[in-house]
Amino acid sequence: QSALTQPPSASGSPGQSVTISCTGTSSDVGAYNYVSWYQQHPGKAPKLMIYEVFKRPSGVPDRFSGSKSGNTASLTVSGLQAEDEADYYCGSYAGGDKGVFGGGTKLTVL
Amino acid sequence: EVQLVESGGDFVQPGGSLRLSCAASANYVMTWVRQAPGKGLEWLSVISNSGDTTYYADSVKGRFTISRDNSKNTLYLQMNSLTAEDTALYYCAKDKGTRAFDIWGQGTMVTVSS
Repeated sequence: QSALTQPPSASGSPGQSVTISCTGTSSDVGAYNYVSWYQQHPGKAPKLMIYEVFKRPSGVPDRFSGSKSGNTASLTVSGLQAEDEADYYCGSYAGGDKGVFGGGTKLTVL
Repeated sequence: EVQLVESGGDFVQPGGSLRLSCAASANYVMTWVRQAPGKGLEWLSVISNSGDTTYYADSVKGRFTISRDNSKNTLYLQMNSLTAEDTALYYCAKDKGTRAFDIWGQGTMVTVSS
């Protein structure tokens, strides 16, 4: 399974919104509503932010939202805050009970 | 909330073997994920809550074996024929069943070098 495609970087000013894309294929992102997003701060384990395309685990602010269209999923962070600066990874069910991640996007809050 | 604690990471020579453990994993579908230094996440393997079903990424199939001992509340990853490309921080994670991972350990470092 090939990695999902994410832009290497994204940025926005505090209070602004930023959207990170995650492009897969008709065998993973496009085939299932099982896209997830993770936030990873330096030296820390990843944290689940979105699962099943748009669902938020308890405790995740509603500033984080997810969507999907065709083979591309998106994570939108609204009302950017300094603590949102981190690496973000998308993941997807890839068929055959396998999983796949994107290459990661470094989000900078200007 | 369940906490996951990995152990077993070490410095090993190419061609060597290592077994990683993850404590506190009973009753859940569990996954191993790794992250090479400065790189992204790579999904490796998943095991059902009973342990009777396993799946692997192509990159480790035939070399790595996932297993669990629910009586000991422990998940394992047996890694054989290790190469420098296996150098990474290895995480165990609780799988929601859809390859979404909601609880992660802190990771255990594996370094493969001569």
